[in-house]
Amino acid sequence: KNQVEQSPQSLIILEGKNCTLQCNYTVSPFSNLRWYKQDTGRGPVSLTIMTFSENTKSNGRYTATLDADTKQSSLHITASQLSDSASYICVVSSRGGTDKLIFGTGTRLQVFP
Amino acid sequence: KAGVTQTPRYLIKTRGQQVTLSCSPISGHRSVSWYQQTPGQGLQFLFEYFSETQRNKGNFPGRFSGRQFSNSRSEMNVSTLELGDSALYLCASSRSTGLETQYFGPGTRLLVL
Repeated sequence: KNQVEQSPQSLIILEGKNCTLQCNYTVSPFSNLRWYKQDTGRGPVSLTIMTFSENTKSNGRYTATLDADTKQSSLHITASQLSDSASYICVVSSRGGTDKLIFGTGTRLQVFP
Repeated sequence: KAGVTQTPRYLIKTRGQQVTLSCSPISGHRSVSWYQQTPGQGLQFLFEYFSETQRNKGNFPGRFSGRQFSNSRSEMNVSTLELGDSALYLCASSRSTGLETQYFGPGTRLLVL
């Protein structure tokens, strides 16, 4: 069964600290993996898109890694800011006759001053 | 450049009614996707339209339907509303399909009583 699991479910860190969010998937055949940031009450914002051949991709203080062999991805946030408080959602696309999108349930990150 | 707009932003309906939600993509974007987000299920993919054709469909009953017009604007319709249809409905647009970055609208919050 195609699944995307994210951990931890929630995370609290202090401003300025780094953190890493995890995404494990069992989606096959794999097409691409995306990380989104969603602020409360707003639509998601795309952070990164990674294909099978990409190991790492950065977007400012956000760095995503992908290990297609172990089917794991991580999102590393450097020098966290209060504005990083949001839900982070991992989405894996399965290649088929038409691409299917499988969503993780997200990690809720809270950054405190 | 204006972002993705969705109307209405909030809607209250009763069971058995039908509802139509509207999405205007970013100018020049030809792909529009619809998602349902609930606290219990998280984000779920409804369908994707490209150049007025439904390209992809998620696992939702036939009560959920959509269409795209020649100007790329899209509508989503839900007939015979159920309490479980209460959710945030998000629309996202992109220039094309595949690995394009999706830009989300603010969503329409639907409450079914």
